[in-house]
Amino acid sequence: AQKITQTQPGMFVQEKEAVTLDCTYDTSDPSYGLFWYKQPSSGEMIFLIYQGSYDQQNATEGRYSLNFQKARKSANLVISASQLGDSAMYFCAMRGVMEFYFGTGTSLTVIP
Amino acid sequence: DGGITQSPKYLFRKEGQNVTLSCEQNLNHDAMYWYRQDPGQGLRLIYYSQIVNDFQKGDIAEGYSVSREKKESFPLTVTSAQKNPTAFYLCASSFAGTLGRRQGYGYTFGSGTRLTVV
Repeated sequence: AQKITQTQPGMFVQEKEAVTLDCTYDTSDPSYGLFWYKQPSSGEMIFLIYQGSYDQQNATEGRYSLNFQKARKSANLVISASQLGDSAMYFCAMRGVMEFYFGTGTSLTVIP
Repeated sequence: DGGITQSPKYLFRKEGQNVTLSCEQNLNHDAMYWYRQDPGQGLRLIYYSQIVNDFQKGDIAEGYSVSREKKESFPLTVTSAQKNPTAFYLCASSFAGTLGRRQGYGYTFGSGTRLTVV
């Protein structure tokens, strides 16, 4: 069964605007972690933000915030004030007891 | 600075050849992982290791082999049995054990090796 679902293969956003990248997950573990990674064209995977399943508040890291809705099993990434350098692939991931599960990614293009 | 190093960055393989991709980490992480990524697609798990001298197959282990003789090192061999090895390979490491509330249970990734069959 697919653990992480990213339904947006590609997204476009105007520079300086905000954008939301969707992520839903499926798990029966009571404790888990949710992550977002950025992959620019160079290929490296860059950690952006983390949300623990027991965290009461939504995680924020600079221009990145995670809209965590536990009952809906969603963990959407919000990027505020988009910059040209934000153009990249974005992967949602979930850490269970033993493994990481990755989504198929969303390609974000920031338009000048 | 602690980190995870993959080498080489680019690798070319002839038909029928075995090649080995290197992955070294100095983060004192227990677990190490190998992923394959094809153009425009997500990551697929090849092998992972939670402790030294032990490793488990992932979703696409056929045609690949690994070893974990040292905590710091987890080399991946792409054998001639792998019929379509051209891809981007990512190594990652993390702390193992039960999940807590600490951010440290995330992955640290290497910068990747791009393998091409010629």
